[in-house]
Amino acid sequence: DQQVKQNSPSLSVQEGRISILNCDYTNSMFDYFLWYKKYPAEGPTFLISISSIKDKNEDGRFTVFLNKSAKHLSLHIVPSQPGDSAVYFCAASASGSGNTGKLIFGQGTTLQVKP
Amino acid sequence: DAGVIQSPRHEVTEMGQEVTLRCKPISGHDYLFWYRQTMMRGLELLIYFNNNVPIDDSGMPEDRFSAKMPNASFSTLKIQPSEPRDSAVYFCASSYWVGRGVVMNTEAFFGQGTRLTVV
Repeated sequence: DQQVKQNSPSLSVQEGRISILNCDYTNSMFDYFLWYKKYPAEGPTFLISISSIKDKNEDGRFTVFLNKSAKHLSLHIVPSQPGDSAVYFCAASASGSGNTGKLIFGQGTTLQVKP
Repeated sequence: DAGVIQSPRHEVTEMGQEVTLRCKPISGHDYLFWYRQTMMRGLELLIYFNNNVPIDDSGMPEDRFSAKMPNASFSTLKIQPSEPRDSAVYFCASSYWVGRGVVMNTEAFFGQGTRLTVV
């Protein structure tokens, strides 16, 4: 049972344009969401996060939006740069008893930014 | 800090052999996670520890998989006997508890992974 889903395996955008990566979740107990970026032959690295008390969090070119009613979040990258080409993973956790720290990841979306 | 350290980086073994993957978490982190990356499931959580105690091993695929954390600075993931379908990249990650409102833990910091190939 995939609790965190990234339905688009890949995305290709032109340099300078906006990249939008999507993520859906099924567990209503999730209250903290993260995006990770992964380059080949490296481990995933943290990019940006959002807690359920917010609907938007921004960090430079990266913005994460959370729609709790739809159980959906998205990552916007603007403007996109060739160095952003990587696999992006969405992750979620629930802060309830027994679940602290447990991160559930999606399948990942491969972003290619063309020069 | 050197970050999360995993060894070996690459492992090629024959079917039926025992494989041991190793992880040294970031000093001071009290959570340790083992993940497996596959195309179908992405990053799949296998097991995680808190203060060296296994908390949730529901993601361990079969009894052939086992994990230990004898102390705060070392963990192993063992596969015995290994099978070709175990071929994947295995990641170790660590985090620490901050207990600040909704955000109870820091984000997880990942090692560079071990690419396992079982032939």
